[in-house]
Amino acid sequence: DAGVIQSPRHEVTEMGQEVTLRCKPISGHDYLFWYRQTMMRGLELLIYFNNNVPIDDSGMPEDRFSAKMPNASFSTLKIQPSEPRDSAVYFCASSLAGYEQYFGPGTRLTVT
Amino acid sequence: GQQLNQSPQSMFIQEGEDVSMNCTSSSIFNTWLWYKQDPGEGPVLLIALYKAGELTSNGRLTAQFGITRKDSFLNISASIPSDVGIYFCAGGLNYGGSQGNLIFGKGTKLSVKP
Repeated sequence: DAGVIQSPRHEVTEMGQEVTLRCKPISGHDYLFWYRQTMMRGLELLIYFNNNVPIDDSGMPEDRFSAKMPNASFSTLKIQPSEPRDSAVYFCASSLAGYEQYFGPGTRLTVT
Repeated sequence: GQQLNQSPQSMFIQEGEDVSMNCTSSSIFNTWLWYKQDPGEGPVLLIALYKAGELTSNGRLTAQFGITRKDSFLNISASIPSDVGIYFCAGGLNYGGSQGNLIFGKGTKLSVKP
């Protein structure tokens, strides 16, 4: 079975550019999570959805970050405009009805 | 907010040794999970615990959900080279709208003894 799919795996962009990260959760899962991982702060939850509805976005750092889930099989995390401090690995995870979250391979974002 | 203290931060293993690590919190959690992350990959779920006092094994891995619900332990028996990586604990909350929300520890990095 396919796991969580993320694209792109690597993204290098210049400060001020718009960045869009994509995620396809495991089929049938009803929760989708976006995390950011850095050496300094570890794994941080940015936002999560239940049945395509955003439930908690308190981890989204600021208005430059936005996330959507237009249907059960696709979600995007957008950063506009991007800044060097946004450089991190961004993970998408999905779960069925609760806590056992399955992570994608991540997108390594570098903003120069 | 809730925080998880994971220890040790790092440790060296020699093949065949048993390894222990733990996670503690000042808050109660309803669920404890353990993940392993290899370089360049996402965390992989190893064990999930749902009941205080529960002891669960997955091959050479054994994890326990502490009786106080404020801690959890992971043991690896007879370690092998592929056990190297970063191990994360995660605590799950379940109140209000927080179903499914996990708090992650900072990780324990396992390396091979030089």
